[in-house]
Amino acid sequence: KAGVTQTPRYLIKTRGQQVTLSCSPISGHRSVSWYQQTPGQGLQFLFEYFSETQRNKGNFPGRFSGRQFSNSRSEMNVSTLELGDSALYLCASSRTSGGQSDTQYFGPGTRLTVL
Amino acid sequence: ELKVEQNPLFLSMQEGKNYTIYCNYSTTSDRLYWYRQDPGKSLESLFVLLSNGAVKQEGRLMASLDTKARLSTLHITAAVHDLSATYFCAVDRYTGNQFYFGTGTSLTVIP
Repeated sequence: KAGVTQTPRYLIKTRGQQVTLSCSPISGHRSVSWYQQTPGQGLQFLFEYFSETQRNKGNFPGRFSGRQFSNSRSEMNVSTLELGDSALYLCASSRTSGGQSDTQYFGPGTRLTVL
Repeated sequence: ELKVEQNPLFLSMQEGKNYTIYCNYSTTSDRLYWYRQDPGKSLESLFVLLSNGAVKQEGRLMASLDTKARLSTLHITAAVHDLSATYFCAVDRYTGNQFYFGTGTSLTVIP
């Protein structure tokens, strides 16, 4: 069974640009969550999508947005990039959402560098 | 806001020794997860603990959960070099897959 895949794996952007990251969940998984990992703040939840609907959102500015498609693939977009957005962005998938006891399976991440 | 604290942050131990990593969380949650992360890699699921008193073991690692104390432990028995990694605990809310991660414990096992 293929795992969670993320593209691209590495990105270099400059301040003010925007970026779109993509995540394909494990087959049959309908929940996709996004996390930001930085040395200073650790792992922080961005948002979760389930059946094309955003279920939860973390404490990030509106520049961070996402969406999920009918095939459960998800994208996240960051507009007007800032230096502090440099991070490893991890996508995680699970079968269910809310009230269940599913673990999340993480993808390899996208390393974003903002210059 | 739910807070998750781990200690120690850094752990250097000799092969063959035992040690415990602690994970405390601030609000009620009956589900706790342990992950491992190797340098430059993603997170690998180790354990899912779903109820008070739950204990899971895999090889040299054993995890337990005390929901009354809001405490989980990850015990390492007779450490080997291959266990060198960063270990994270995480708790979630019942409303969805929103994980709150601990700060991580960077473990180095010295031959």
